[in-house]
Amino acid sequence: EAGVAQSPRYKIIEKRQSVAFWCNPISGHATLYWYQQILGQGPKLLIQFQNNGVVDDSQLPKDRFSAERLKGVDSTLKIQPAKLEDSAVYLCASSVRDRGRTDTQYFGPGTRLTVL
Amino acid sequence: SQKIEQNSEALNIQEGKTATLTCNYTNYSPAYLQWYRQDPGRGPVFLLLIRENEKEKRKERLKVTFDTTLKQSLFHITASQPADSATYLCALGTGGFKTIFGAGTRLFVKA
Repeated sequence: EAGVAQSPRYKIIEKRQSVAFWCNPISGHATLYWYQQILGQGPKLLIQFQNNGVVDDSQLPKDRFSAERLKGVDSTLKIQPAKLEDSAVYLCASSVRDRGRTDTQYFGPGTRLTVL
Repeated sequence: SQKIEQNSEALNIQEGKTATLTCNYTNYSPAYLQWYRQDPGRGPVFLLLIRENEKEKRKERLKVTFDTTLKQSLFHITASQPADSATYLCALGTGGFKTIFGAGTRLFVKA
């Protein structure tokens, strides 16, 4: 079974530029997450999709971040314009909920963003 | 306010010993708790899940305990090996399928 794919793996941009990240979840996984992980911290949820609908985007800085999930499969996360504090690893994860109502997430390798 | 606390300092142990990592939380009522492993430059990998009505779970050399009264989970790796060196993340599963991650504890196992 193929895992969660993300691209690019690394990106360096200057502040005020825009950037986009792509994620392809595990086939059949209805739930998709984008997390931001700053060095030394745990993953922080930015947005959660169930199929192509948004379940939780309460921590997404909507003035600069946007995300969409095309046809309930692939997803893109965009930052426009980027700030220095956006330097982090952006992780995509997917999951399929089991009957026990638990949610085990499978993560991609992440995209390391550096904003100069 | 809601908090998840994991040992902020790195844990250094000798190969063959048991590593014990702690996860404490406040102002949450998790339905379950998970432990993930994260290696440098990679995404977290799921290890174990324990539900609120379970006291202990085991998987090979791993053992997790969950005390909802103390609001604490302990994660044990027995007969530790250098390959166990990584960051271990505690994650709470709350109502509504929301998962909250702790900051993680770095474990170093010396040969």
